[in-house]
Amino acid sequence: NAGVMQNPRHLVRRRGQEARLRCSPMKGHSHVYWYRQLPEEGLKFMVYLQKENIIDESGMPKERFSAEFPKEGPSILRIQQVVRGDSAAYFCASSLTKNTEAFFGQGTRLTVV
Amino acid sequence: GDSVTQMEGPVTLSEEAFLTINCTYTATGYPSLFWYVQYPGEGLQLLLKATKADDKGSNKGFEATYRKETTSFHLEKGSVQVSDSAVYFCALILTGGGNKLTFGTGTQLKVEL
Repeated sequence: NAGVMQNPRHLVRRRGQEARLRCSPMKGHSHVYWYRQLPEEGLKFMVYLQKENIIDESGMPKERFSAEFPKEGPSILRIQQVVRGDSAAYFCASSLTKNTEAFFGQGTRLTVV
Repeated sequence: GDSVTQMEGPVTLSEEAFLTINCTYTATGYPSLFWYVQYPGEGLQLLLKATKADDKGSNKGFEATYRKETTSFHLEKGSVQVSDSAVYFCALILTGGGNKLTFGTGTQLKVEL
């Protein structure tokens, strides 16, 4: 059973471009969480999705950031018009139910130049 | 708001030394507490957890006790190995919070021969 798969592992974007980060949850998992780790900081919760629904987006910046988890395919975290401050490691986690253990992917390291 | 504070790293120890990584928290209600470990190039893995006061979580020789009176969850290991070199994150989830984790900033541990 493959773990949580994130791709790409490393992503470089120029200021103003769009970044798309993908997360394939573990098989059978329908709950997905996105976290961001800024340099020298801990992971910060961004958004919680359950197949086609955003359950909690209290940690998402109000502008430029969006997330989706379609019925088919991976969850996508989309950052429009990236700025240098978006440079960070973005981690995805998935769980079978809301209250069972969440398993983390290896993360995508976004660098904005 | 809810927060987790852990000692800054890096912590450098010789093999077989005793390890303590301090973690304290601030939370409304009674959170569940966790330690995650991140090995180089990998995602976060759950190391141990405790869900109520005085519970002791343990795994792979690591242990931590949920101390409500001091709002602490310090990580300890009696004899570290080089293979324990990693970043350790303390985290909490509020009751009913599902998998919405609040993380500390992480403590890097380096174990040398």
